[in-house]
Formats: sequence, structure tokens, C-alpha cells
Amino acid sequence: QLQLQESGPGLVKPSETLSLTCTVSGGSISSGSYYWGWIRQPPGKGLEWIGSVFHDGSAHYNPSLKSRGTISVDTSANQFSLKVTSVTAADTAVYFCASEPLPAATTFDFWGQGTLVTVSS
Amino acid sequence: EIVLTQSPATLSLSPGERATLSCRASQSVTTHLAWYQQKPGQAPRLLIYATSSRATGIPARFSGSGSGTDFTLTISSLEPEDFAVYYCQQRSNWLCSFGQGTKLEIK
Repeated sequence: QLQLQESGPGLVKPSETLSLTCTVSGGSISSGSYYWGWIRQPPGKGLEWIGSVFHDGSAHYNPSLKSRGTISVDTSANQFSLKVTSVTAADTAVYFCASEPLPAATTFDFWGQGTLVTVSS
Repeated sequence: EIVLTQSPATLSLSPGERATLSCRASQSVTTHLAWYQQKPGQAPRLLIYATSSRATGIPARFSGSGSGTDFTLTISSLEPEDFAVYYCQQRSNWLCSFGQGTKLEIK
């Protein structure tokens, strides 16, 4: 079965760019069998979908990010990545990556353990 | 954007009791609704997809129902490990949203 693992800095300064990577094992991103998503959870709060990407690079985003988010794929490394620009304290959250099985791509079946990103100077 | 509203916010029950959790959508999501369980410090776990299909390894005491805008997750007889936060989730027109969660706590 799939395994996903998030990695990246745990501390980002306000106004800078948050960058995270999700490494997938147990399956190939380029298989075309999944969409790949990012979800975040501010401390003590609920889940917020950030966006999802297909192996060809096509992506969909939560409009609430106001174009600050970009998700990309690196099929050679079997990874997909998230960048969020101009971060503020409101972007402090645990960030999860997850897989969305096709053809429906309507649920997240495998999740990474999550990584806490704190925005602070 | 479709907004999902879960009720109640908190549900206090005892082991062995039946739990009924509700999720209402601001517009129809047909049957593309899922339910997740999350315990402290852990990632969410998929319980139910496509409204009523149990994910792999999920016990039969968990069931989902509904259509259109009203959906329900039922736990027929609570086990101690079922006390957690539950989220509903939908995807429509490539946009995804989660409900705000229902905390199921031990009475």
C-alpha cells in the first residue's frame, strides 16, 4: 500500500515562502492512478484542503489561498511539493499530504503523518 | 464553494451506545461524501467513501447513509477506541471541503 512522508522546514518567517515535499513509496506518482493532495490543520482546529495535483502537473486549488499556493510534481523522484508564498501566522498548521484514488478522486485514502509548520519571526 | 456543516459539535456517549453524526451540505454533493476519524496527534483515517462504502479494514459497526445534502455516520455500538473527532468531506467540480468536525467524547 502507499506510504507518504512530508518533509520541510518547521519554521518559516512571516512574508516568506513555505515549501514542503511529500515523498511517495509503495506506488508510482506517474501511474496516473491517483491525484495527490495537500491538507492543513491549524492547531486545535479543523481540516482545510489546500489543493491537489495530477501526475501531468495539472492542479486545482482552494480559492481561499488567493493564488498564494502552488503544487508541483517530480515524477523522477516520486514526490510532489507545496509552496505557499507571503505566509502569515494564519498559515501556521500541521500540513498533511494524501492520495486520492481515481477514477473518482473524491476521497483521501492514504495520508502522511503530517508536519508542523510554524510561521514566526 | 460547498460548505459542510456538522452536528452536533460535541457528542457525549458511553461505550456500547449508538452514535449518530450529521453532515449537511449547502448544496447537493450527490453521493461524493466521505467520513474520516482523527485521534490526537494522528492523521485522519478514511472510514467511509461514496456515502456508504466502508474503507479497507473499517469495522462493520461504522455505516454511512444519505444523499443530496443530508448525510449521516452511524456507529452502532461504541467501542472505547471510537472516541475521537469525525470529519465529513466532499469534492465537487474539483473543489474539496471538510466539515468543521464532531468530537465524540466519553460520557
